[in-house]
Amino acid sequence: GAVVSQHPSWVICKSGTSVKIECRSLDFQATTMFWYRQFPKQSLMLMATSNEGSKATYEQGVEKDKFLINHASLTLSTLTVTSAHPEDSSFYICSAPISGSSYEQYFGPGTRLTVT
Amino acid sequence: LAKTTQPISMDSYEGQEVNITCSHNNIATNDYITWYQQFPSQGPRFIIQGYKTKVTNEVASLFIPADRKSSTLSLPRVSLSDTAVYYCLVGDRARRALTFGSGTRLQVQP
Repeated sequence: GAVVSQHPSWVICKSGTSVKIECRSLDFQATTMFWYRQFPKQSLMLMATSNEGSKATYEQGVEKDKFLINHASLTLSTLTVTSAHPEDSSFYICSAPISGSSYEQYFGPGTRLTVT
Repeated sequence: LAKTTQPISMDSYEGQEVNITCSHNNIATNDYITWYQQFPSQGPRFIIQGYKTKVTNEVASLFIPADRKSSTLSLPRVSLSDTAVYYCLVGDRARRALTFGSGTRLQVQP
């Protein structure tokens, strides 16, 4: 079946640096992808909707200048956490909807970001 | 979006049937009910989706009463590997972004 991959699976960075996370749809095209953040023992929180060829749509309270999203192709969306701080440490997950079934989505394996 | 309410946690033993009920009193006519499973440090995985009555697949069954104000995910003969968090989501198929509630943490004991 369709697979969504993420890279890296985990990353440790120093405070103030930027980190890029990639989300790829491996055998299907995704004009839309979603980015979620999940803190330990909590549920997933939608951060933004990534649209191929256009600007991302951010959820209320998510800083678009801090979480840069680029959806440059039909199979790749990237999330860049700029000037990372320890409070940005979290589990970041992307997803892509299955064509014709919006509520059935493929999720990536997630990226664990730790900011020291 | 219809708000959902699920038990925070449930415990079961291997081989038992587990039923997780989700309340969604404000479900709209166009809303579908979808369940996802999430293991620690992994992305969620789609389990099942339904609109009314009963839906069954190789993994689970979904029971939806006529008023659709609740739904029950049924996992037959659970194993240790079914230990996970289960999320009930309700929404219009046209809305593509998913809104996750708090989920139900299922712990299966040997």
